[in-house]
Amino acid sequence: LAKTTQPISMDSYEGQEVNITCSHNNIATNDYITWYQQFPSQGPRFIIQGYKTKVTNEVASLFIPADRKSSTLSLPRVSLSDTAVYYCLVGEGNQGGKLIFGQGTELSVKP
Amino acid sequence: EAGVAQSPRYKIIEKRQSVAFWCNPISGHATLYWYQQILGQGPKLLIQFQNNGVVDDSQLPKDRFSAERLKGVDSTLKIQPAKLEDSAVYLCASSLMRTDNYEQYFGPGTRLTVT
Repeated sequence: LAKTTQPISMDSYEGQEVNITCSHNNIATNDYITWYQQFPSQGPRFIIQGYKTKVTNEVASLFIPADRKSSTLSLPRVSLSDTAVYYCLVGEGNQGGKLIFGQGTELSVKP
Repeated sequence: EAGVAQSPRYKIIEKRQSVAFWCNPISGHATLYWYQQILGQGPKLLIQFQNNGVVDDSQLPKDRFSAERLKGVDSTLKIQPAKLEDSAVYLCASSLMRTDNYEQYFGPGTRLTVT
């Protein structure tokens, strides 16, 4: 299973765009890239998933370059409520696969 | 749609005592996971069930931890005897059995304190 590396912490201000980059140099052909968000005293929550190029949903965008050795989660116009820990994961899928959570990136959004 | 339910939410026990956690996954989700999350760390997978069969329990400390998923629905995780280092949040998650989607739905967790 590919290991991921991401910054331990990031600071931002309300209204800014936040980009969190994750490296996964040993990603395998069948692996997808997934991001989760976790608030204090809650379980992680799925944000977005992608395989290549760009994926966008109502919450975030995920940019994946052609070599797939890294990915960037983009949060547009963050608010105070986006303060959380963000995890980048690489995995093979639910059927027999498993996800390994790293330490995550603690994002702090200030007013 | 109801989410993943867990109980209890909090539990305080003394070392060497036993404890059990219960999880009810989202209806129709064939895959169920138990994670251990120590303060300041990401969740660590303890065991994964597919229906009522174990898919992966490689990180489950089998000398003290056990888990079962009778009838492929609810699941129970037990610790016996507990150690101080078992203090953590125990998260249950469930998902559909798909190869192209990694969305796991997590419950609120059970915070265990071992004194």
